[in-house]
Amino acid sequence: NAGVTQTPKFQVLKTGQSMTLQCAQDMNHEYMSWYRQDPGMGLRLIHYSVGAGITDQGEVPNGYNVSRSTTEDFPLRLLSAAPSQTSVYFCASSYPGRYQETQYFGPGTRLLVL
Amino acid sequence: GDSVTQMEGPVTLSEEAFLTINCTYTATGYPSLFWYVQYPGEGLQLLLKATKADDKGSNKGFEATYRKETTSFHLEKGSVQVSDSAVYFCALRAGNQFYFGTGTSLTVIP
Repeated sequence: NAGVTQTPKFQVLKTGQSMTLQCAQDMNHEYMSWYRQDPGMGLRLIHYSVGAGITDQGEVPNGYNVSRSTTEDFPLRLLSAAPSQTSVYFCASSYPGRYQETQYFGPGTRLLVL
Repeated sequence: GDSVTQMEGPVTLSEEAFLTINCTYTATGYPSLFWYVQYPGEGLQLLLKATKADDKGSNKGFEATYRKETTSFHLEKGSVQVSDSAVYFCALRAGNQFYFGTGTSLTVIP
């Protein structure tokens, strides 16, 4: 049981480049989410999904796209990277409903946009 | 909108000292409240939670009580250890969305 895995661990992009941050979980969790962590800002929710085929926006969705074609995977796409997207990105998953509180976080992806 | 405000750090304590990290919240409904902990280089882990007013969450010697009248969920521990050094986040759940505080860094020195 690997839990929540994220790739890559670290990435450097140039402004305007695109990339996809991968997130996978093997716990059959229906709820998955993406956060960014910035100094002095805590974690902010970017997008979330309550099941395959269903996604919704969080607090800071601009500049990011997501899709959820399977229960296991929830990739985050940056279509045209900007320096303001330099951050640490965390993926999390949990069971739905009242078990949703226990979110399991991945180890994070550190992204630097030049 | 919904939000969480927690005391800024960093906090430095000697081993066996008493810890309090303040957290207050703003929410339109009846949120669930949480404390998460992040150790260096890792993702967040759930430390404790409370789902309704007057509930007390506890784990590993840490405690927090959901106070609706003061909209607070302060984290306490009676005797901290060096291994408690980490960043602590207060959070609330409103529907399908989670809102986190800015985090409080705790360093415990021997």
